[in-house]
Amino acid sequence: QQQVKQSPQSLIVQKGGISIINCAYENTAFDYFPWYQQFPGKGPALLIAIRPDVSEKKEGRFTISFNKSAKQFSLHIMDSQPGDSATYFCAASNSGANNLFFGTGTRLTVIP
Amino acid sequence: DAGVIQSPRHEVTEMGQEVTLRCKLISGHNSLFWYRQTMMRGLELLIYFNNNVPIDDSGMPEDRFSAKMPNASFSTLKIQPSEPRDSAVYFCASSLQGNVLTFGAGSRLTVL
Repeated sequence: QQQVKQSPQSLIVQKGGISIINCAYENTAFDYFPWYQQFPGKGPALLIAIRPDVSEKKEGRFTISFNKSAKQFSLHIMDSQPGDSATYFCAASNSGANNLFFGTGTRLTVIP
Repeated sequence: DAGVIQSPRHEVTEMGQEVTLRCKLISGHNSLFWYRQTMMRGLELLIYFNNNVPIDDSGMPEDRFSAKMPNASFSTLKIQPSEPRDSAVYFCASSLQGNVLTFGAGSRLTVL
């Protein structure tokens, strides 16, 4: 059973556009929601993360929006660049535990 | 620090052969995770250790898979006998408490 559901599976965006990836979860015990970025041939790397005490976190062009009541969170990439082309994974965990539950990933392609 | 180091990076073997994948944790990290990545199933947690003790192995597909942590900095994932459906990229990740995982570059396994 998928603990975290992610969409879309793939996304194509023009350079300069906004990329939006959505995730949903069921387990209300989750209190840590990171996003990982993976380039071909590499392992996933932490991009940005949020805890449910805030509704938004921004780091440069990357923003996480969090809706606790809807149990949804999303990644927004502003002014998308070809170098952002990668696979993005959302994840969730209970900080009392150590394991992360990952979404199925979104392959983002930013075309020049 | 060189990060999480995995070997081999690529392995091609024949069905029925034993496969051993290796992982060296980041110095000082105390949690170790093995993930498997396929196109169909995304990132799946196989097993994780905390302070060398296996905490959750419910993701290990079957008895053909085994994982060990003989010391605080090293782990192996063994598949015996291997089958074509085991073909995937296997990632090792480590963390220091919390939920921030640092992934290795992965081991791509092909079983013919």
